[in-house]
Amino acid sequence: NAGVTQTPKFQVLKTGQSMTLQCAQDMNHEYMSWYRQDPGMGLRLIHYSVGAGITDQGEVPNGYNVSRSTTEDFPLRLLSAAPSQTSVYFCASSSGPRTTEAFFGQGTRLTVV
Amino acid sequence: GNSVTQMEGPVTLSEEAFLTINCTYTATGYPSLFWYVQYPGEGLQLLLKATKADDKGSNKGFEATYRKETTSFHLEKGSVQVSDSAVYFCALRTYMGRRALTFGSGTRLQVQP
Repeated sequence: NAGVTQTPKFQVLKTGQSMTLQCAQDMNHEYMSWYRQDPGMGLRLIHYSVGAGITDQGEVPNGYNVSRSTTEDFPLRLLSAAPSQTSVYFCASSSGPRTTEAFFGQGTRLTVV
Repeated sequence: GNSVTQMEGPVTLSEEAFLTINCTYTATGYPSLFWYVQYPGEGLQLLLKATKADDKGSNKGFEATYRKETTSFHLEKGSVQVSDSAVYFCALRTYMGRRALTFGSGTRLQVQP
């Protein structure tokens, strides 16, 4: 059972380039989210989705786009990469109730030069 | 809004020492509380959770009690091992607003032999 799968694991981009971080889950979870992890700041929510076709902004959405065309997939797009977007990105999924935990992917380490 | 405050790290202990990592929270609505652990180079894994006041979550010798009166969820372990070296995150989730996890900044634990 794969759980939450993120690709790629590592990526180096030049400033201004665009790319898509992929996230897929096989648990039929309705709720998916993207976080970035920076030293001393914990994980901050970028975007989230409560179901296919429904997305909304988190705490730090600027410079990122998302879409949710299927229950399984929730890609994160960087439109024009900036050095401030150097971070580790995590995708997570969970079922609806507040009492259930989120399951995380292994993360993508992104460096923007 | 929701927020989680954790004690600053790193915390350095000798093997078999007692561990406490403090966590306090502010939440709109009635949160569920979680502790996640991140081992080097990996994603986040659920360590334990509690979904209502006075619940005690436990796993792998770790414990935390949901204290509504003090808005706290401190993590404890009676005897740490070198293999417990990791970063620990306190988090909460509510029905209100985004329903995403809100994380503390994380506490790095280093256990020396």
